[in-house]
Formats: sequence, structure tokens, C-alpha cells
Amino acid sequence: DTAVSQTPKYLVTQMGNDKSIKCEQNLGHDTMYWYKQDSKKFLKIMFSYNNKELIINETVPNRFSPKSPDKAHLNLHINSLELGDSAVYFCASSHLSGQGSYEQYFGPGTRLTVT
Amino acid sequence: GDSVTQMEGPVTLSEEAFLTINCTYTATGYPSLFWYVQYPGEGLQLLLKATKADDKGSNKGFEATYRKETTSFHLEKGSVQVSDSAVYFCALSRTGGGADGLTFGKGTHLIIQP
Repeated sequence: DTAVSQTPKYLVTQMGNDKSIKCEQNLGHDTMYWYKQDSKKFLKIMFSYNNKELIINETVPNRFSPKSPDKAHLNLHINSLELGDSAVYFCASSHLSGQGSYEQYFGPGTRLTVT
Repeated sequence: GDSVTQMEGPVTLSEEAFLTINCTYTATGYPSLFWYVQYPGEGLQLLLKATKADDKGSNKGFEATYRKETTSFHLEKGSVQVSDSAVYFCALSRTGGGADGLTFGKGTHLIIQP
């Protein structure tokens, strides 16, 4: 009954490799997001998708490419990994609550370590 | 641009102490305000929220009131427990668009000692 799931939970890889992180939500939400949490716990939005359409693309290197095959999935592909990409990446999804605000639900995170 | 400022941690308290974590924001329009909690090794969980001025969000003994005049959303709890030890994030989202990402504060690490 997991709401927002991510795979893998841990990812250790070498510089220069290409890797993907997968995210799935079974909440029926229309909007999904990727956030990056750095070593100091600071969280920053990277991308958001609404109905499979890219809405937000913050200042993120173009080595990062999100892909949304359907409303329930938002994957993150990273090319030519660098040491600075080491972080925890969180997927989230949202819906419009009865009080008129959008509540975001987060996945458990993927800890990426680039060596 | 939008920003959220919250007190730096760690904040260390004894069990049953009163908790306040300060949060102030800068945003255009009328944002929605949130508190999220992150337990060790886990993702973020929505703790409470408020969508307009003077709204009070509450959950699990925690409360926060949306103060537009002081642009604040301070988190309070009357009696903390060891199980409340976690990182707490204040966040905002602009109204009018569900695809807006959350703008987070830097987080406050709370440590409750028995």
C-alpha cells in the first residue's frame, strides 16, 4: 500500500557513469516532482510534471533528464555523474486538498553516492 | 524570489519541555504554509499546514498559526517526547498552481533527551 515509492534506495556508482532513479505513485495524483537534498539537509526543487508535461525545470545541469511515461511514474536519468551529484533525491506527488492547497507526499528517497 | 528562514539547529530539549521552532517567510501573493518532519533515514512527512491568514494547523500535539502581519509560521508543542526527535522543515507553496514546487527552509534538527 506504498503511496510514493522509489528505486533504488541506495545507489553507489563511479564518476562518469549514467544512472536512473525510478518513482511511482499509486495515489492517483496528477503532479509529480523531483527534489535534491544535499549533505546539509537543504531541499531544493529540481523538476515538476503535471499530467506528463514538464512544468518546472529549475537551474539543473542538462545531464539530468526527467521522463514521465504516464501520470503515475516520473523517472530521473543522470548522465556523466559527478562527485557533486552525491545527495538524496526525493520524488513527490501532489493533489488539491479540500482546503484548496496542494499537499505533497514524498517518497523514501534515493541516496546517490558518486565515487 | 520566495524564501523561508527557520532557526538553525540542533535544538536540544528535555522530555516534556515546551517546543518552539521559528519560521518566517518571504513570498509574493498568499502562499500556503507547511511543516514537514523527516525522521532518520526516512522521507518527509506532512505534519501540518495552513492556507490563509490566521489559520491554525495542528497534528499530533503540534500547532502553527499563519501570521501574515509578521510573515511567520512558528511550530509549537506543549510537551515533547523522545519520539519527536527528527528534522523539521518549514515550507511554502505559491497558490494558483499545483505544479509549484515547495520552497523549504534549511531544516531544524530537534533532539529530545529522556
